[in-house]
Amino acid sequence: DADVTQTPRNRITKTGKRIMLECSQTKGHDRMYWYRQDPGLGLRLIYYSFDVKDINKGEISDGYSVSRQAQAKFSLSLESAIPNQTALYFCATSEGTQKWETQYFGPGTRLLVL
Amino acid sequence: GNSVTQMEGPVTLSEEAFLTINCTYTATGYPSLFWYVQYPGEGLQLLLKATKADDKGSNKGFEATYRKETTSFHLEKGSVQVSDSAVYFCALSADNYGQNFVFGPGTRLSVLP
Repeated sequence: DADVTQTPRNRITKTGKRIMLECSQTKGHDRMYWYRQDPGLGLRLIYYSFDVKDINKGEISDGYSVSRQAQAKFSLSLESAIPNQTALYFCATSEGTQKWETQYFGPGTRLLVL
Repeated sequence: GNSVTQMEGPVTLSEEAFLTINCTYTATGYPSLFWYVQYPGEGLQLLLKATKADDKGSNKGFEATYRKETTSFHLEKGSVQVSDSAVYFCALSADNYGQNFVFGPGTRLSVLP
């Protein structure tokens, strides 16, 4: 079984709708991250969480919110989706925050906003 | 700010050809450097990493050496296989808080039989 899972894997929604993307992990890591991937831009950090009581904005947090329901669960919400939020979204975890730490990624959620 | 530049793709090679994907970076201090690989339909996974100057990371026949004098971390493989077809991301982490993990745009590699 995968260590980091994301649901749904694909989602089509309409402008103005609220949607939630979910991430679960069985690695026992405290640190969790949400990224979006756009063609030619690599991955950009949306939000990150160091534990259930610590949530921080990343590079591109506008239009997004997150919830850390438990150590194993980190959800990303789009309060009112817009077409330029069409992207591939990845959840990731890491054991620590040292700069040499490996990040472990989920399989991604492909989101299309019409 | 910190940044990563890598060669534009796509790169198309024949099986058993030599591969080089160039990566250069800009960062303050002494970042750790990574190569991640994304196979079709999957998330990113670590391919190799190096944490200090002159370190060589290696895995699955791939190698990259941390060159501080040229701020580079080029990925190489002596003989690619069809199964190496994927998107390769160079990345750096510049501090100990995880929020400054910077990815390059990715290079798509296609290996033909």
